[in-house]
Amino acid sequence: DTGVSQDPRHKITKRGQNVTFRCDPISEHNRLYWYRQTLGQGPEFLTYFQNEAQLEKSRLLSDRFSAERPKGSFSTLEIQRTEQGDSAMYLCASSLRTSVYNEQFFGPGTRLTVL
Amino acid sequence: GNSVTQMEGPVTLSEEAFLTINCTYTATGYPSLFWYVQYPGEGLQLLLKATKADDKGSNKGFEATYRKETTSFHLEKGSVQVSDSAVYFCALSLTGLGSEKLVFGKGTKLTVNP
Repeated sequence: DTGVSQDPRHKITKRGQNVTFRCDPISEHNRLYWYRQTLGQGPEFLTYFQNEAQLEKSRLLSDRFSAERPKGSFSTLEIQRTEQGDSAMYLCASSLRTSVYNEQFFGPGTRLTVL
Repeated sequence: GNSVTQMEGPVTLSEEAFLTINCTYTATGYPSLFWYVQYPGEGLQLLLKATKADDKGSNKGFEATYRKETTSFHLEKGSVQVSDSAVYFCALSLTGLGSEKLVFGKGTKLTVNP
């Protein structure tokens, strides 16, 4: 399968714990995005990378959130001191910079539940 | 700001009925427009796209036309099937206009009954 993959698919944690999610984009894609989707809502943009550079961050990305893409391939999203309001589906997407449409391909998501 | 407004759901139709899901947008500049679909238990998939005024995107019997004058991108299908049951998201992209993110509507859940 050459699509976007995310790991884990589900994560249950207790409030105050740290969690880390991983995203592996389509191999030739140089852009990688993180979105958050809560129940009944559309995905909301969190941040994006071009290669290893983080070029845009949403105001939704509080100080407890950090994302990295150290070698311009896979990316990690860490949430520190989780809160119940962090419960959501975290989506990763990738695209090719030369795409005229900026067509983004999405992974299956990581569902986070904070107890 | 940049935003997408979609028709409120859920929408329930019988098989072979005509489908319209309304989508309007507000954007600085001329965005690219997309419809994504999320089938039960699956990730978001791109359904169709359009990049400029009067472009028509089409795929799997679905169509949407980029209407600049009404800032709309309504999704239509002439005859829906049970397998079309899913959540549909309208989205815009401002690539080349200062942001690479997709801005999504809230989604419209479609249920098609046999």
